[in-house]
Amino acid sequence: AQSVTQLGSHVSVSEGALVLLRCNYSSSVPPYLFWYVQYPNQGLQLLLKYTSAATLVKGINGFEAEFKKSETSFHLTKPSAHMSDAAEYFCAVSPSGGYQKVTFGTGTKLQVIP
Amino acid sequence: DADVTQTPRNRITKTGKRIMLECSQTKGHDRMYWYRQDPGLGLRLIYYSFDVKDINKGEISDGYSVSRQAQAKFSLSLESAIPNQTALYFCATSGGDTQYFGPGTRLTVL
Repeated sequence: AQSVTQLGSHVSVSEGALVLLRCNYSSSVPPYLFWYVQYPNQGLQLLLKYTSAATLVKGINGFEAEFKKSETSFHLTKPSAHMSDAAEYFCAVSPSGGYQKVTFGTGTKLQVIP
Repeated sequence: DADVTQTPRNRITKTGKRIMLECSQTKGHDRMYWYRQDPGLGLRLIYYSFDVKDINKGEISDGYSVSRQAQAKFSLSLESAIPNQTALYFCATSGGDTQYFGPGTRLTVL
């Protein structure tokens, strides 16, 4: 069984401030972990993917996430928020690299305040 | 042009009606997926297909059926729509190391 928990359904940050979106996972096997972003009225877009290579994964748009096995976490960060980062972000887990086994979290809506 | 297109983008229908949602992709990928998104629940997989002859049920396939007409086309049908199938539906395709989503179809069943 696998699951992800995203802490905070809504997060607000000021423009230029650090973005930190929290995700904890549960998996009975070494996991593959994903972050997706959904802009208003659009489909999801893959931000980054952890596949057991490097624990720090860099994605698009300046985002990165760090896999911490001891904490079962995969938090998403960006040093400086832009207005264009306002969107909903989904953490997801899979027992393999295949997308057919991905379990999604419930999402975190990021608001960026000017 | 978009990599994954979905038609219609919005649809309102009545309980008991049959409805088909269509998806096309230009990525040339073999793998395609249908998801539904409900507020506060994230995405859940309905069906997936690894190629034209390989179709598999996902987490929540009851009440849905699919057809893979070609590598590029994957349709989702609701044989007899019910109100709790009101949701946002996404098609996706994957290849290489990433996954591409369509813009979604907002379906309302009255």
